[in-house]
Amino acid sequence: EEQLVESGGGLVQPGGSLKLSCAASAFTFNRSAIHWVRQAPGKGLEWVGHIRSKTRDYATGYAASVKGRFTISRDDSQNTAYLQMNSLKIEDTALYFCTRPQNGGFDPFWFDPWGQGTLVTVAS
Amino acid sequence: QAVLTQTPSVSGAPGQRVTISCTGSSSNIGAGYDVHWYQQLPGTAPKVLIFGNSNRPSGVPDRFSGSKSGTSASLAITGLQAEDEADYYCQSYDPSLKIWMFGGGTKLRVL
Repeated sequence: EEQLVESGGGLVQPGGSLKLSCAASAFTFNRSAIHWVRQAPGKGLEWVGHIRSKTRDYATGYAASVKGRFTISRDDSQNTAYLQMNSLKIEDTALYFCTRPQNGGFDPFWFDPWGQGTLVTVAS
Repeated sequence: QAVLTQTPSVSGAPGQRVTISCTGSSSNIGAGYDVHWYQQLPGTAPKVLIFGNSNRPSGVPDRFSGSKSGTSASLAITGLQAEDEADYYCQSYDPSLKIWMFGGGTKLRVL
């Protein structure tokens, strides 16, 4: 069964940095894009960004709310994707999920599976 | 701010039918992009409920169905059960914004 496990969340002060990890198993990681989605407490889902595979030149894309502050990377040898978060703001407080797109002939792809999420709290 | 609009909450008694709508625009759903639906039970990660507008993954009961028309999509749940109480999100893509989008979510309460 495909699985994604996030880690690295915690409490950080405004303006600080944090790096999240997303460890994958049971699928061909190096052929898959990885997306990050976050959910602020009591709020809905917000797409954060994604990284494509090597064959797609590891292209990345970000939501406007995080562009220039967040960077997504990956290490295919470790089956792990990362979300580097800099210049954190209070409004970045959220549960951060990683997920992968499923290609079933639809556009866009849908997301499955999802990790359990890792909580990032930005507070002084 | 969600680009796809969902009614914040719906409710129904056990056994009843409810529908949840997801309204986009001519630049996303109306441009032909597919819609997927997720169910998020309290304290858990989202799980795909409907993919490609109207397809159910294996294991999802046929009480759940999806449709798409024009710039909107709908999720219907028949024979409501207590375990259906959850948050439901639609998802699509907007090429003009170059973002994957989720609706704001609909909280379903089973009375």
